[in-house]
Amino acid sequence: EAGVTQFPSHSVIEKGQTVTLRCDPISGHDNLYWYRRVMGKEIKFLLHFVKESKQDESGMPNNRFLAERTGGTYSTLKVQPAELEDSGVYFCASSQGHIVSYEQYFGPGTRLTVT
Amino acid sequence: DQQVKQNSPSLSVQEGRISILNCDYTNSMFDYFLWYKKYPAEGPTFLISISSIKDKNEDGRFTVFLNKSAKHLSLHIVPSQPGDSAVYFCAGLTGANSKLTFGKGITLSVRP
Repeated sequence: EAGVTQFPSHSVIEKGQTVTLRCDPISGHDNLYWYRRVMGKEIKFLLHFVKESKQDESGMPNNRFLAERTGGTYSTLKVQPAELEDSGVYFCASSQGHIVSYEQYFGPGTRLTVT
Repeated sequence: DQQVKQNSPSLSVQEGRISILNCDYTNSMFDYFLWYKKYPAEGPTFLISISSIKDKNEDGRFTVFLNKSAKHLSLHIVPSQPGDSAVYFCAGLTGANSKLTFGKGITLSVRP
């Protein structure tokens, strides 16, 4: 069974540009999460999808971030326009079920560097 | 407001000895606590969990202890192996939602 995959693995962009990160969850997992780790700090929750619906987006920093999960399969996270403080590693995770599931499977992350 | 705290950034132990990784929390609403392990350039991997109504959970070489009155949990690895060298994250989760609240992580180095 394939794990959670993320693309690209690394992205370097200039301040003001747009970047789109993609996450493919484990097949059949209804729950999809986005997290971010800024250097040296904790991994922070961004949002949670159940299928194609946003269940919780309380962690999204501001309206420069837009997440979508069309069709309830893969998800994209767009940052537009990017700022220096958006640099970090963006992790996607997925889990089964329609209830709270604590065993979340993480992808390898996308390292975003904004210069 | 950091709800999960891992105050020691690193720990170094000798192979074969015990590793004890500590974690403190402030949110009394957490229903589960989890430990994740992370190697460089990989995502975190679930290691072990404990329900807030338990005080101990064991899985092979890994044991997690929970002291609710002290709002403290610890992960014990016995015996430690060089392959255990990684960053370990403590996380809390409430029953109301699925979002994990992580600590900053502890870098464990196991010396051969």
